[in-house]
Amino acid sequence: QSVLTQPPSASGTPGQRVTISCSGSSSNIGSNTVNWYQQLPGMAPKLLIYRDDQRSSGVPDRFSGSKSGTSASLAISGLQSEDEADYYCATWDDNLTGRGVFGGGTKLTVL
Amino acid sequence: QVQVQQWGAGLLKPSETLSLTCAVYVDSFSGYYWSWIRQPPGKGLEWIGEINYSGSTNYNPSLKSRVTISVDKSKKQVYLNLTSVTAADTAVYYCARVQQLMDMDIWGKGTAVTVSS
Repeated sequence: QSVLTQPPSASGTPGQRVTISCSGSSSNIGSNTVNWYQQLPGMAPKLLIYRDDQRSSGVPDRFSGSKSGTSASLAISGLQSEDEADYYCATWDDNLTGRGVFGGGTKLTVL
Repeated sequence: QVQVQQWGAGLLKPSETLSLTCAVYVDSFSGYYWSWIRQPPGKGLEWIGEINYSGSTNYNPSLKSRVTISVDKSKKQVYLNLTSVTAADTAVYYCARVQQLMDMDIWGKGTAVTVSS
């Protein structure tokens, strides 16, 4: 299992607001910034949010990130059909010699 | 415009060595780490490791005994070698530029590698 815990699935209707959680520990989210990636089917991941709450270039302001303690969240407001994708959180884990870690991913379905 | 291009053998037999190349076509090569990430079919992302232009590396402890990441600054290329592959190493392998601690802003399109006898 992944070091970072995400719900395997989430869903919403067009126009709704959805949030995806990412839970970690003091050695990863509690100590380092969190990044969020969107992966459309058959495509490489795309950086959405970096350093907890900064939107990557070209990312609509419907996407926002936040962090509190050892958990982080990605919120998507005004849900659109093109938002249907897999979403991953990622950060650095300071345990042992350090390593990059991803959440298990959340598949977002737009109903 | 192509910023990162990847290539390598797509079909390997068990016990062989996986070798991939990541060629960088952006101006800023030396100021960043360059990471390898993989994704088994239908599964999530796994960080393999990273390297900077001077050759300093970090590896995923779960793969460290089999992985070598290297760099050729003159060619602006980064390499991944993974020895003694098994079916569990079947995945799409990505190369990505690291801005800061898993903040990866430029990704290659991925190289699909299948390990099968």
